Amino acid sequence: GAGVSQSPSNKVTEKGKDVELRCDPISGHTALYWYRQSLGQGLEFLIYFQGNSAPDKSGLPSDRFSAERTGGSVSTLTIQRTQQEDSAVYLCASSFSPEQYFGPGTRLTVT
Amino acid sequence: QKEVEQDPGPLSVPEGAIVSLNCTYSNSAFQYFMWYRQYSRKGPELLMYTYSSGNKEDGRFTAQVDKSSKYISLFIRDSQPSDSATYLCAMLGTDKLIFGTGTRLQVFP
Repeated sequence: GAGVSQSPSNKVTEKGKDVELRCDPISGHTALYWYRQSLGQGLEFLIYFQGNSAPDKSGLPSDRFSAERTGGSVSTLTIQRTQQEDSAVYLCASSFSPEQYFGPGTRLTVT
Repeated sequence: QKEVEQDPGPLSVPEGAIVSLNCTYSNSAFQYFMWYRQYSRKGPELLMYTYSSGNKEDGRFTAQVDKSSKYISLFIRDSQPSDSATYLCAMLGTDKLIFGTGTRLQVFP
């Protein structure tokens, strides 16, 4: 079946602009995660959705970052007023515990 | 101290070698131990996972967990150039995976 998909695959934006990154999880997976991976770094947890529960936002680095998940399926990560330090690969994973399956990521470059 | 420590490498081995990749961790509450493989410019791919202590084998790959030492290993037998990738260990806390920084492996023909 289809895996996790993310769009866009690449995004170049100017400092100060807002960006939206999209994740389509595997059908039937109730849990969805967002991570950030910077060059040479491991995966940094950002936010976690589980079913209809309130999301765990404990990993969001600032209030410029937000995410929502509509209808228990598609999720959007929004970064407002982007900064150069936001440049990274943003990865989404959907989960059938304990297994997490990752999408290909969105490579964000802030110029 | 990070919760999960992993040597970043790079590790360079000849084709056919046995590769040993390792992670240490500090949180004794971890119960699931995962290994992911990540090719350049791709998302991580789940290779295998183990619950609690012990060994698990899948083809050329063996995962080993020693909870008493807080140490996990991934062994790759008969390594192939196609195994060249970054290998990430990850451990499941209450509901979040905690990742190591990854070890870059290069298998040369």
